Amino acid sequence: AQSVTQLDSQVPVFEEAPVELRCNYSSSVSVYLFWYVQYPNQGLQLLLKYLSGSTLVKGINGFEAEFNKSQTSFHLRKPSVHISDTAEYFCAVSDHGGGADGLTFGKGTHLIIQP
Amino acid sequence: KAGVTQTPRYLIKTRGQQVTLSCSPISGHRSVSWYQQTPGQGLQFLFEYFSETQRNKGNFPGRFSGRQFSNSRSEMNVSTLELGDSALYLCASSLGAGGDNSPLHFGNGTRLTVT
Repeated sequence: AQSVTQLDSQVPVFEEAPVELRCNYSSSVSVYLFWYVQYPNQGLQLLLKYLSGSTLVKGINGFEAEFNKSQTSFHLRKPSVHISDTAEYFCAVSDHGGGADGLTFGKGTHLIIQP
Repeated sequence: KAGVTQTPRYLIKTRGQQVTLSCSPISGHRSVSWYQQTPGQGLQFLFEYFSETQRNKGNFPGRFSGRQFSNSRSEMNVSTLELGDSALYLCASSLGAGGDNSPLHFGNGTRLTVT
C-alpha cells in the first residue's frame, strides 16, 4: 500500500512571491506521481504528473515539480504566484501495477495568496 | 469535448434513505472511478469500473455500490444513509484502467447532505 503526506495544511504567500508545496510519499513499488488543484465548488484538475524520465516536470499555470526518489518527495513549486492560484492542492500517488487502492491522495494544502 | 458530468450537483437526504448518483465520463473514456471527499478524511477511493466491470474497490462498507453501463456511464448507490455519509462525491474518468498512466479527469462532484 502507498501513502502520501502533505506537510502543510495551509500555506499563505504574498502575490508574486515564490511558493513550494511539500509532498512526501511511501510505497513499496514504483509509482506514478501527480499534483491536482481544486478550486472552490469544483472537481480536481490535473496540474502535472511524473511517470518516468526527467525528474523535473512542468505543468500548467507555470507550476513545476521535482521527483526525488532518495527523499521520496515530489514538491510543487511556482516562481511567482497570482491571486488566481488560491486553491486546494493535492498530491497523489498511483502504483504501476494498477493496485487495488486506486489513486491515493494527500490531505491537501490550501494555498492562500495575499495581495 | 465535454468534460465529466455529474448529476445532481446537490442532494439532501434523511438518514435511512438511499441515494443514486450519476456520472457521465468524457467521450471515449472507459474507466470511471468514484471518490468521497470529506474535511476529516480527505479524498478516499470508493471504486473503479472499467468496461462494465468493477476493477478495484476501496475500504467502504457494502452500503456503497456502483455499476457501469455499456456506454461507460456510471452510477453510485448508497443505501441506508448515515450522517457520516455527508460528503462531496467525485467521479473521475480516464482512457485506460487504473494503474496505467492515464490521468484522471474529474467532474465537479455531487454534494450529498444527510440530515
